[in-house]
Amino acid sequence: EAGVAQSPRYKIIEKRQSVAFWCNPISGHATLYWYQQILGQGPKLLIQFQNNGVVDDSQLPKDRFSAERLKGVDSTLKIQPAKLEDSAVYLCASSRDRSNSPLHFGNGTRLTVT
Amino acid sequence: SQQGEEDPQALSIQEGENATMNCSYKTSINNLQWYRQNSGRGLVHLILIRSNEREKHSGRLRVTLDTSKKSSSLLITASRAADTASYFCAYMNNNAGNMLTFGGGTRLMVKP
Repeated sequence: EAGVAQSPRYKIIEKRQSVAFWCNPISGHATLYWYQQILGQGPKLLIQFQNNGVVDDSQLPKDRFSAERLKGVDSTLKIQPAKLEDSAVYLCASSRDRSNSPLHFGNGTRLTVT
Repeated sequence: SQQGEEDPQALSIQEGENATMNCSYKTSINNLQWYRQNSGRGLVHLILIRSNEREKHSGRLRVTLDTSKKSSSLLITASRAADTASYFCAYMNNNAGNMLTFGGGTRLMVKP
């Protein structure tokens, strides 16, 4: 099966600019996740979708971050405006369901905010 | 915030030796998972152990889970240079909508 696709692979922007990341999960996977991974740390969950509904967004900085999953398939994560501390790798993952299914990760988008 | 703790943060061993990584958590869980991450890549799922299981094997990997101590360990036997990577535990918190929380990881280097 094809893996989780993410784009772009790298992005460099200046602070206060906006940026968007795209994710295409594995076909048939109902659950989609966006994680933020700061260098040297483990991934931190930003938002979790079940089909096209939000299950958990408690750690999403909603004043600047937004995410959507139209039609329960692809998803976009947006940051507007970006801050220096947003520099990180943004990982998208999907799973068949929310309980005992492993997560399949994309290779991530490395964001550098200058 | 990350509520999983991994120990050690970094580990350097010779090829052929065994590597043991430990993970502790603070809540009740549905399952605990281990993932591997090569530099610049996404995470790859290694093994999942459910809360009612105590030990699980997959090839050269052995995972134990002690829910009374809220801890897990990952053992890689007969390590290879290709095992060099970061290893993360992640637990599914059944009190938080089955949210998967990752630890800070153990950076393993296997010297040839």
